[in-house]
Amino acid sequence: NAGVTQTPKFQVLKTGQSMTLQCAQDMNHEYMSWYRQDPGMGLRLIHYSVGAGITDQGEVPNGYNVSRSTTEDFPLRLLSAAPSQTSVYFCASSYDGTPYNSPLHFGNGTRLTVT
Amino acid sequence: QQQVKQSPQSLIVQKGGISIINCAYENTAFDYFPWYQQFPGKGPALLIAIRPDVSEKKEGRFTISFNKSAKQFSLHIMDSQPGDSATYFCAAHHFYNTDKLIFGTGTRLQVFP
Repeated sequence: NAGVTQTPKFQVLKTGQSMTLQCAQDMNHEYMSWYRQDPGMGLRLIHYSVGAGITDQGEVPNGYNVSRSTTEDFPLRLLSAAPSQTSVYFCASSYDGTPYNSPLHFGNGTRLTVT
Repeated sequence: QQQVKQSPQSLIVQKGGISIINCAYENTAFDYFPWYQQFPGKGPALLIAIRPDVSEKKEGRFTISFNKSAKQFSLHIMDSQPGDSATYFCAAHHFYNTDKLIFGTGTRLQVFP
């Protein structure tokens, strides 16, 4: 059981480049989400999905796109990278999105640097 | 606007000591308060959680104390060990926003032998 798998682990982009951060889970979880972690800011929700075909914005969605075509995968796309998007990105999933029924399971993160 | 305020930002404790991390919130609609533990290079993992209908929850050396009237909750780590060195996040779940967990800013704990 791999849990939540994120790729790549590290990435360096130039300003204006685009890329996709991959996230896959093998726990048959309906709920998936993306967070970014910045020093002194904690974890902030970017986008989330409560099931295949359904996505919604979190606290800091600007500059990011998501889609959920399958239950297992939830990629995060940066359309035109900016230095402000330098961060560590975490994908998390849970069975139904209600924390008291089903805790969030996090991947090990992708460290992104935009120069 | 930080909905969950966490302090301190960093904490240094000697082995065997008590580590205390505090969190405060304003929104009375929060109904579930978990703590997550994160080791370097890893994602956060659920450590312990509490509902507001109880004032304390203990699991091994880890205890959450909850003060509903003051809108504060804290994590106590008894007999702190070097293996407890990690970043700790408090969080809160909003009763009406069932899909969202609001995190505090994190506390980096270092336990020295």
